[in-house]
Amino acid sequence: AQSVTQPDIHITVSEGASLELRCNYSYGATPYLFWYVQSPGQGLQLLLKYFSGDTLVQGIKGFEAEFKRSQSSFNLRKPSVHWSDAAEYFCAVAPSGGGADGLTFGKGTHLIIQP
Amino acid sequence: EAQVTQNPRYLITVTGKKLTVTCSQNMNHEYMSWYRQDPGLGLRQIYYSMNVEVTDKGDVPEGYKVSRKEKRNFPLILESPSPNQTSLYFCASSLVGRLAHGYTFGSGTRLTVV
Repeated sequence: AQSVTQPDIHITVSEGASLELRCNYSYGATPYLFWYVQSPGQGLQLLLKYFSGDTLVQGIKGFEAEFKRSQSSFNLRKPSVHWSDAAEYFCAVAPSGGGADGLTFGKGTHLIIQP
Repeated sequence: EAQVTQNPRYLITVTGKKLTVTCSQNMNHEYMSWYRQDPGLGLRQIYYSMNVEVTDKGDVPEGYKVSRKEKRNFPLILESPSPNQTSLYFCASSLVGRLAHGYTFGSGTRLTVV
């Protein structure tokens, strides 16, 4: 069965600093990989996804993520965070064949932005 | 506007009183799913449906029922709610075979069972 690990429960970053959120997955093959963001009181919004091709993917709001097969990782990065980036971030995987299992989520990383 | 609509957004109920949370999507998606979100546990899948009249259990189905009589609707039913079902619930939908494009999520239903 697939699984996702987000090692950091909370991360605090100063506004304007760079950000990296870690995500490791366990799956027999290369899965589809996603990052979602959940702002306070809101639903989940897709930031970016990877399913083939270039291992560096660009998303919305200035985020990017890099797929590293050798490390089974899909870390999310942003060069300069804004106060509005404070939110909960979820990494998720899905079987590359689609299928019924759907998305498996990590437990999330809570991002705090300090002035 | 393409969207997944959940109702209600907030609900407080008492133990044992049957309730239904509705979910509707206007994108003609075959795949629909329910998740619950709890602090420190992330999102866990309750039930999913690959198409009309096709439903299956996710990771945490106990205490829940679903039905899929129409393509657009996927209600979540709690026959006898208990306090451990207090949670934030999300409905999501996708095209079958297009999970690479991710899900579209509803805005969530915050349920409190007292």
